[in-house]
Amino acid sequence: TQLLEQSPQFLSIQEGENLTVYCNSSSVFSSLQWYRQEPGEGPVLLVTVVTGGEVKKLKRLTFQFGDARKDSSLHITAAQPGDTGLYLCAGGEDGNKLVFGAGTILRVKS
Amino acid sequence: EPEVTQTPSHQVTQMGQEVILRCVPISNHLYFYWYRQILGQKVEFLVSFYNNEISEKSEIFDDQFSVERPDGSNFTLKIRSTKLEDSAMYFCASSDGQGWEEKLFFGSGTQLSVL
Repeated sequence: TQLLEQSPQFLSIQEGENLTVYCNSSSVFSSLQWYRQEPGEGPVLLVTVVTGGEVKKLKRLTFQFGDARKDSSLHITAAQPGDTGLYLCAGGEDGNKLVFGAGTILRVKS
Repeated sequence: EPEVTQTPSHQVTQMGQEVILRCVPISNHLYFYWYRQILGQKVEFLVSFYNNEISEKSEIFDDQFSVERPDGSNFTLKIRSTKLEDSAMYFCASSDGQGWEEKLFFGSGTQLSVL
């Protein structure tokens, strides 16, 4: 069974600080996705990484896929209160069936 | 942006009763999914559906579960005889392809409470 472990589980920081969230597995995934989920809503896709070592940027968010395609990180620069939410990583062999991590709850205080 | 619509947003039922959760996927999408999230736990894959048949299902998706696309717009999940442990948020999702490059769109979920 493929598992994804996310760390930390909870993160509370001040506005303007930088942070990194990690997603690790003992299994290789052909792709890895990062989602953000607000309370009472479904997950919303932020990015998909496919190639080992790949780095993608989305404004202040930087996503990296490990060289061995077993791990990924999400780095947020100068966090803002609007970044508050649950961040989920999910891996899959294709788009058909995703394995989700437990998520990192991020709270950015103003 | 187009969205996946789920109804009802909340469903309360008695143990042993049948429930049907409804979803309207994005209109031009071809692949449909159900996931669930028990409170405090991970989002879990239940089933995927393409071309009017199940393409993959998880161990959770036992004989008590079924899916159907009764018309050109709706996609339903039926639980025949609900159990307490079926209480969860159920998410419907759709995509227009199956590869990694295809974006998966999730609905807002139906919170199912089995009493």
